[in-house]
Amino acid sequence: DQQVKQNSPSLSVQEGRISILNCDYTNSMFDYFLWYKKYPAEGPTFLISISSIKDKNEDGRFTVFLNKSAKHLSLHIVPSQPGDSAVYFCAASQTGGFKTIFGAGTRLFVKA
Amino acid sequence: DAGVTQSPTHLIKTRGQQVTLRCSPKSGHDTVSWYQQALGQGPQFIFQYYEEEERQRGNFPDRFSGHQFPNYSSELNVNALLLGDSALYLCASSKGLAGDYEQYFGPGTRLTVT
Repeated sequence: DQQVKQNSPSLSVQEGRISILNCDYTNSMFDYFLWYKKYPAEGPTFLISISSIKDKNEDGRFTVFLNKSAKHLSLHIVPSQPGDSAVYFCAASQTGGFKTIFGAGTRLFVKA
Repeated sequence: DAGVTQSPTHLIKTRGQQVTLRCSPKSGHDTVSWYQQALGQGPQFIFQYYEEEERQRGNFPDRFSGHQFPNYSSELNVNALLLGDSALYLCASSKGLAGDYEQYFGPGTRLTVT
């Protein structure tokens, strides 16, 4: 039972353009959502998070949008840079110390 | 300030053997979670340790067990290894119960079972 789904295995974007990575979840009890970035031979690195009481959180070039009614969140990267090329994982949890559930990841390629 | 460290980096085991993986959390962190990442998949939650106790467990058999020491470091033990246990094992630490905070991951231990 995949509670967090990233339906696009890969995405290719031109440098300077916007990258949009999508994520859907099924468990309505999730109230905290995170994005992690992973380079080869490294562990995932925290990128940005959002609580369910918000619908948008911005940090520099990265913005996460949350649509609770659709159980959907997205990560926007503007402008995209070649160094952003990595695997991006969407993750969700229920505050109170519950386990974090990860999606399968989307591999982003940013072409120079 | 050292981040999360894991040892060993790689290891190869035979079916039926037992393995122990080790993790030292980031300085100041008291919670350790373990994940299994199979090829092409996201990290799958195994269990979480807080105050030396297993606080949460994912859908993994009892062959997977762990321990947290007073200095917050942790071990993951897997008994009776199966071919399907071949994966990258990630350790993550956080200050406070994971689920409320972002986690910091180590580089992982690549386990190959032959």
